[in-house]
Amino acid sequence: AQTVTQSQPEMSVQEAETVTLSCTYDTSESDYYLFWYKQPPSRQMILVIRQEAYKQQNATENRFSVNFQKAAKSFSLKISDSQLGDAAMYFCAYRNPYNTDKLIFGTGTRLQVFP
Amino acid sequence: EAQVTQNPRYLITVTGKKLTVTCSQNMNHEYMSWYRQDPGLGLRQIYYSMNVEVTDKGDVPEGYKVSRKEKRNFPLILESPSPNQTSLYFCASSSGTGLGEQYFGPGTRLTVT
Repeated sequence: AQTVTQSQPEMSVQEAETVTLSCTYDTSESDYYLFWYKQPPSRQMILVIRQEAYKQQNATENRFSVNFQKAAKSFSLKISDSQLGDAAMYFCAYRNPYNTDKLIFGTGTRLQVFP
Repeated sequence: EAQVTQNPRYLITVTGKKLTVTCSQNMNHEYMSWYRQDPGLGLRQIYYSMNVEVTDKGDVPEGYKVSRKEKRNFPLILESPSPNQTSLYFCASSSGTGLGEQYFGPGTRLTVT
């Protein structure tokens, strides 16, 4: 069974600095999809960034980028120029190509941003 | 506006009193899911549906029922709620294609006493 591990329950960063949240996963599949979701205090789940395993190029969305290491089964999220509004719970998630509606989530990392 | 709606947003009930949490999406998505979120456990899938009248169990289906009679609606039913079902519940929908985004509802905070 696939699993997703987020080993950092909490992280903190100063405004304008860069922070990296780690995520590792376990799968025997060769093709799959990886996601980072943000959950602010409003509880709404917001998609931050996504990556297909077959694509070697790391995904980027404005200040958010990933470091995807397929061999190491690692999918870390880098937030550059951190802003107060980035403070939230961040979840890493895995989806296999067969059950396309099921996301397997990690336990989350709570990010605090200090001014 | 594309959205997934859930009702109610907050619910406090007593053990054994049947309840239904409604979920509706306006994006004509085929796939819909229910998740529960618990501290330290992340989100776990309860049930999912691939189309009308097609549903299947997720990872934690015990104590829950679902139905999909219309494409847009996917209610979650707790026939006899117990305190261990106190949780934050999310409904989600997607087109089901690869990188396709799963859209989440706003969440329902359920407390069973």
